[in-house]
Amino acid sequence: GAVVSQHPSWVICKSGTSVKIECRSLDFQATTMFWYRQFPKQSLMLMATSNEGSKATYEQGVEKDKFLINHASLTLSTLTVTSAHPEDSSFYICSARDIREGLPDTQYFGPGTRLTVL
Amino acid sequence: QKEVEQDPGPLSVPEGAIVSLNCTYSNSAFQYFMWYRQYSRKGPELLMYTYSSGNKEDGRFTAQVDKSSKYISLFIRDSQPSDSATYLCAACSGGYQKVTFGTGTKLQVIP
Repeated sequence: GAVVSQHPSWVICKSGTSVKIECRSLDFQATTMFWYRQFPKQSLMLMATSNEGSKATYEQGVEKDKFLINHASLTLSTLTVTSAHPEDSSFYICSARDIREGLPDTQYFGPGTRLTVL
Repeated sequence: QKEVEQDPGPLSVPEGAIVSLNCTYSNSAFQYFMWYRQYSRKGPELLMYTYSSGNKEDGRFTAQVDKSSKYISLFIRDSQPSDSATYLCAACSGGYQKVTFGTGTKLQVIP
């Protein structure tokens, strides 16, 4: 099956630093990638939709200048948390949609990145 | 009101029991209904999806959707300890549309 990887899997940083998280589709092309955030015992909340070659679409309440998204190729999207603060500590998960089809079973999730901001 | 509501549990059952997981939704535009399994500190894994109303069976798992009552169910037969995970229901209005998730139900199957 299709595989989506994320790097790093876990990152600890000091408050005020920026952190970049990569999301890669390993064996398929994805024009659309999604970024989610999940707090403990809560659901996945969609942050933004990343489209290859164009600007990301952010959900209401998500600061686009805080969470920078770059989808430069059909297999890579990056999320940069700028000037991270402790309240940004969370589990960040990306998903990628296979370019060939639009059914729900062609959206594949990465393993997630745990961000801890001290 | 959240678009997809799910009892967070936790739900503990003995091995071999039949598990029933349920969600309700409010958006009439939803057409696809999914169940994901998420192990601790891992990304969600799609178990099944159903289009519109009806049942779908895959091995020990059966997904049911009742659009008239906006009710989504997942049944797990002969539950195993390896089924212990958080189960997320989700819905979307179309294959290319964003997915809305429930909060997830944590299931523990006790040997």
